[in-house]
Amino acid sequence: GQNIDQPTEMTATEGAIVQINCTYQTSGFNGLFWYQQHAGEAPTFLSYNVLDGLEEKGRFSSFLSRSKGYSYLLLKELQMKDSASYLCAVPPSGNTPLVFGKGTRLSVIA
Amino acid sequence: DVKVTQSSRYLVKRTGEKVFLECVQDMDHENMFWYRQDPGLGLRLIYFSYDVKMKEKGDIPEGYSVSREKKERFSLILESASTNQTSMYLCASSFSLEDPASYEQYFGPGTRLTVT
Repeated sequence: GQNIDQPTEMTATEGAIVQINCTYQTSGFNGLFWYQQHAGEAPTFLSYNVLDGLEEKGRFSSFLSRSKGYSYLLLKELQMKDSASYLCAVPPSGNTPLVFGKGTRLSVIA
Repeated sequence: DVKVTQSSRYLVKRTGEKVFLECVQDMDHENMFWYRQDPGLGLRLIYFSYDVKMKEKGDIPEGYSVSREKKERFSLILESASTNQTSMYLCASSFSLEDPASYEQYFGPGTRLTVT
């Protein structure tokens, strides 16, 4: 089976850097997704990591360590609009859908 | 751009009513999914389909059924709505479940259903 853990809530200051962690246990590994979800809206894709290391995409970066079953999303130069929930998700082995963590609700304050 | 649309953003129904939630995607995706999302519980998979007329139960199928008569359309049916089915319902689609790089799911805007 799959188990995904993320912190429930985080608060950070505008302009700062925040790291949102995700640990997972899966029977197989086929990469890890990060999604962003603003309140009342649908989740939108942020990143997909399948190899170890850091992938940078503008202000957002995502890191993966397959040996440790660990990923993080790094948000730099935080803006108020980054206040949202961040979901990590893994595709299990076999022909089955993504398994989502419960999400981390990030609040960016002035 | 992939577009996933849902028939209603907000819906209010009475206990015992039959409820239909419609979802349409325009990118010829093979797979479609129905989730509900509740505070503290995250996204929970109700049903999914990887082909026309095919359906698979997710984690919480009780009280729901689905229909996929055409590739682009996936309907969620609440046979007899109950108050504990008040929730946000999200539809999603993905290209394939064979290649992990194609696992990315595209979500519709959601339907907030209230059952009174």
